[in-house]
Amino acid sequence: KAGVTQTPRYLIKTRGQQVTLSCSPISGHRSVSWYQQTPGQGLQFLFEYFSETQRNKGNFPGRFSGRQFSNSRSEMNVSTLELGDSALYLCASSRDVETTNEKLFFGSGTQLSVL
Amino acid sequence: DQQVKQNSPSLSVQEGRISILNCDYTNSMFDYFLWYKKYPAEGPTFLISISSIKDKNEDGRFTVFLNKSAKHLSLHIVPSQPGDSAVYFCAATSSLHTGANSKLTFGKGITLSVRP
Repeated sequence: KAGVTQTPRYLIKTRGQQVTLSCSPISGHRSVSWYQQTPGQGLQFLFEYFSETQRNKGNFPGRFSGRQFSNSRSEMNVSTLELGDSALYLCASSRDVETTNEKLFFGSGTQLSVL
Repeated sequence: DQQVKQNSPSLSVQEGRISILNCDYTNSMFDYFLWYKKYPAEGPTFLISISSIKDKNEDGRFTVFLNKSAKHLSLHIVPSQPGDSAVYFCAATSSLHTGANSKLTFGKGITLSVRP
């Protein structure tokens, strides 16, 4: 069974640009969530999508957005990039959101560098 | 405001000895706790979890202890092996939230080094 796939693996952008990251969850998983990892803040929750609807949202500005398609694949978009957006962006999927016993499976992440 | 705290950024232990990784939380709504392990260039992988109705959960060499009154949990690895060298994240969530298992609050992580 293939794991969570994130593309691209690395990205370099300049301030003011926008970027789109892609995530394909494990087959059969309907929930996709996104996390930002930085050395200073650790992993921080961005948002979660289930059945093409944003179910939960973290404390990030509106420049960070996402969506989920009918096949559960998800994209996140960051507009007007800032230097502080440089981070590892991790996507995670799970099978069912109704129980806390469901594990999150993470992809390897997209390393974004903003110059 | 850091709701999950891993105050020690690193820990070094000898192979074969016990590794104890600590985690504190402040949010009383948290009732489910997890540990994830992360190797460089890989995403975090689930290690072990514990519900607030328990005070201990064991899985092979890994045991997690929960002290609800102190809002403290710890991960014990016995015996420690060089392959355990990684960053360990403590995470928490509240079952009251829809999608609780996806909305995890993580600590900043502890880098464990196991010396051969």
